[in-house]
Amino acid sequence: DIQMTQSPSTLSASVGDRVTVTCRASQNIDVWLAWYQQKPGKTPKLLIYKASSLGSGVPSRFSGSGSGTDFTLTISSLQAVDFATYYCQQYSANPWTFGQGTVVEIK
Amino acid sequence: QVQLVESGGGVVQPGRSVRLSCTASGFSFASRGMHWVRQAPGRGLEWVAAIWFDGRKKEYASSMQGRFTISRDNSKKTLYLEMNNLGTEDTAVYYCARDYSSGYPAFFFDYWGQGTRVAVSS
Repeated sequence: DIQMTQSPSTLSASVGDRVTVTCRASQNIDVWLAWYQQKPGKTPKLLIYKASSLGSGVPSRFSGSGSGTDFTLTISSLQAVDFATYYCQQYSANPWTFGQGTVVEIK
Repeated sequence: QVQLVESGGGVVQPGRSVRLSCTASGFSFASRGMHWVRQAPGRGLEWVAAIWFDGRKKEYASSMQGRFTISRDNSKKTLYLEMNNLGTEDTAVYYCARDYSSGYPAFFFDYWGQGTRVAVSS
């Protein structure tokens, strides 16, 4: 199985900060990576797919980059509504695996 | 708009079975692959199973293979997950999720249901 490792596990930030979350795959997944946002008690929302393509209706302050084994999700200017847990997911090989999540909390 | 509504969860004794359902609306159900993804309490997301748009092919996470069966009825726009020989490790919220792609699955998910909770306990 491809292991997905996110860092950090928790990130404290303030509104307006530039925030970066990292995801590392245990083997090459090319660009087959998605990012999701999940708020407490809510369903996950697709943010990014194919490493850098923005999902439908996702604000442009979200961006993704990377290929191979190392990927990044960036929020250019953190808004109050962005405090949530973020997950990466690889879709290069079955089983389709997720990272353990990164909690973005208010500083 | 796209809606996915799960049902069938509850408290189940270890070793017993349960069938989850997911009713879809707002899109062409018969043209999309569908998935089940679960989330144990306080934990991350775990993909469980996938089924092709026409039901001909199915895939499972290895720990569910042989115990879980995914199926669909396109005439009823409904996805199912039959879970047998349940253990406490199967306690989770089970989400149905729509595959991003029409036709051949892309294996990532653009719409999720609200989930149904399964608690395995004696």
